[in-house]
Amino acid sequence: AQSVTQPDIHITVSEGASLELRCNYSYGATPYLFWYVQSPGQGLQLLLKYFSGDTLVQGIKGFEAEFKRSQSSFNLRKPSVHWSDAAEYFCAVGAILTGGGNKLTFGTGTQLKVEL
Amino acid sequence: DGGITQSPKYLFRKEGQNVTLSCEQNLNHDAMYWYRQDPGQGLRLIYYSQIVNDFQKGDIAEGYSVSREKKESFPLTVTSAQKNPTAFYLCASSIRVTSTDTQYFGPGTRLTVL
Repeated sequence: AQSVTQPDIHITVSEGASLELRCNYSYGATPYLFWYVQSPGQGLQLLLKYFSGDTLVQGIKGFEAEFKRSQSSFNLRKPSVHWSDAAEYFCAVGAILTGGGNKLTFGTGTQLKVEL
Repeated sequence: DGGITQSPKYLFRKEGQNVTLSCEQNLNHDAMYWYRQDPGQGLRLIYYSQIVNDFQKGDIAEGYSVSREKKESFPLTVTSAQKNPTAFYLCASSIRVTSTDTQYFGPGTRLTVL
C-alpha cells in the first residue's frame, strides 16, 4: 500500500528566506504526486502536481517541487517566503482504488510559521 | 462561480444522534469523496463515489453512510455508531476516477460532539 511521510511537523522561517518542505513516498508503481495547502479552518488548495515528464514542476504562488525517484522524494520549495504562506502543507500520492476511483493518500502535514 | 460547497460550517451533535453533512458541487464532476481530518493524522478517506447511485467504502467507513442520488450531491451521515466523530470533514470531487485527476476540496465542516 502507498504511504507518504512528511518528517517535519512544524517549520519556522523568516519572511524572505527560502523554504523546503520534505516529502517521501512509498508506492510500487509510477507515483502521481500532489502538494496541497490548507489555511486554518479551510479546505485544501492544490499547489502543484507531478504525473510524468520534467521532474521539476512549477505551481501556484511561486512554489515548485522536484521529483526524485532514486530518493522517493517530492520536496516542495519556494525561494522567498511571504508572511501569507503561513499555513499547513500536505503532500499526497494518488493511486487507483481496487473498485475504481482515485485515492489520495496524504501525509500528516507540515505546519509552516513565518516570522516577520 | 464553480466550486464545492459544504454546509454547515460548524455542527454540534449530542451523543446518540445522527447528523448529515451536505456537499454540493457544480463542477460537473463524476467522482466525489469524503475525508476526515484529525490533528496530526492528515486526511483519511471515508467514502467515495464514481457515479450516481454508486459508492464505495474508503479506509474508515465504519459509523458513516452516504448516498449519491444526484451527480451534484454527496451527503455524509455520521451515525451514532461512530464512536469518535469529532473532527473536520472535507468533501472533494474530481472529473473522472483516474489517479491523475486533481481532487478539488470544499471548505469543510467541523463537527463537535457535545
